[in-house]
Amino acid sequence: GAVVSQHPSRVICKSGTSVKIECRSLDFQATTMFWYRQFPKQSLMLMATSNEGSKATYEQGVEKDKFLINHASLTLSTLTVTSAHPEDSSFYICSARDWSHQETQYFGPGTRLLVL
Amino acid sequence: GENVEQHPSTLSVQEGDSAVIKCTYSDSASNYFPWYKQELGKRPQLIIDIRSNVGEKKDQRIAVTLNKTAKHFSLHITETQPEDSAVYFCAAHLSGNQFYFGTGTSLTVIP
Repeated sequence: GAVVSQHPSRVICKSGTSVKIECRSLDFQATTMFWYRQFPKQSLMLMATSNEGSKATYEQGVEKDKFLINHASLTLSTLTVTSAHPEDSSFYICSARDWSHQETQYFGPGTRLLVL
Repeated sequence: GENVEQHPSTLSVQEGDSAVIKCTYSDSASNYFPWYKQELGKRPQLIIDIRSNVGEKKDQRIAVTLNKTAKHFSLHITETQPEDSAVYFCAAHLSGNQFYFGTGTSLTVIP
């Protein structure tokens, strides 16, 4: 199946710093990528939908100025957590939708963020 | 928007028994229903999916059934094995839109 990579897999940072997470589709073109946040033992919470070449669509309650999303190419989307705080600590997962198979999304391996 | 409910939240079965997880959805226009398996700290993996024009789909020990009228779909795992232990998520999708996930079911298969 299609492969989605995510980098870094784990990051620890100090409060107030910014962290960038990359999501790449390795063997297919992804016109749409999704960014999720997952707390322990909970479901995936959609943060935003990222469309190549246009502004991301954020879900209600997600601050777009805090979680900056850029989808500059058909294989790369980035999520930047700006001025991170301990409450931003979480597991962030991206997924990519293959333009040729619009119903299927493939998940990245996730990034565990710990803000001290 | 779409609302997906999933039950049960936890499920324990003896090895070799069957496990059934059920989901309901609210938007009758949803037309694609995937199931994902997520092991601790890992990415969700698609294990089976069904489209709205099909009532049942089977892949070895895993099957999914869909009742469009009642707006519910179920995951069936037969002859469960310890390696089936994981969290399972259902989702509902309308073409071109986002995916709506259920709250997850933590399945434990007891050897």
